[in-house]
Amino acid sequence: QKEVEQDPGPLSVPEGAIVSLNCTYSNSAFQYFMWYRQYSRKGPELLMYTYSSGNKEDGRFTAQVDKSSKYISLFIRDSQPSDSATYLCAMTLTGGGNKLTFGTGTQLKVEL
Amino acid sequence: EAQVTQNPRYLITVTGKKLTVTCSQNMNHEYMSWYRQDPGLGLRQIYYSMNVEVTDKGDVPEGYKVSRKEKRNFPLILESPSPNQTSLYFCASSPTFSSYEQYFGPGTRLTVT
Repeated sequence: QKEVEQDPGPLSVPEGAIVSLNCTYSNSAFQYFMWYRQYSRKGPELLMYTYSSGNKEDGRFTAQVDKSSKYISLFIRDSQPSDSATYLCAMTLTGGGNKLTFGTGTQLKVEL
Repeated sequence: EAQVTQNPRYLITVTGKKLTVTCSQNMNHEYMSWYRQDPGLGLRQIYYSMNVEVTDKGDVPEGYKVSRKEKRNFPLILESPSPNQTSLYFCASSPTFSSYEQYFGPGTRLTVT
């Protein structure tokens, strides 16, 4: 079993929809949770970063962590075609710094 | 412009022919690392470096070498490439090991026949 599980998609939604992307994990020691966005033929870029449980909002994006369920989510409101990309979750231990464990990524397509 | 650059972007080679993929960052970052990305397996760390002359193995180091002689450069060396090293490779950097944000390069698509 992988440490981090992520549905690969593809997920196709109409413009303006609310998108929910999710990851589950098995290591309860993970404390820092990140979402990276990767456009086609590009490297990943950090989108959101949260520590421990709770919510964090940044514009149209909300990251949610439920440590009791070992489940993290990324919500995208009013999705745009420019949001079409692969979304990777990543996580690390306290003191683990940049020793990240990545999910395999969910491919999202937002259609006009 | 702050960036991580990799060269070449695409490479097709044959089994056993030594190759080097270069990585350079202009942000004066201490921490650099190499990943490979494969379908269904995600990003896996190959090697990382916390500073000049300080390198360590990641999760999948077999068949790879690295060096860090200058702060800005972190080349990945495949001494004797094999077909199972066909993959998409990313170099990344961050200010320090404890900085959670990593800045990724554009990727190098390697095919070994």
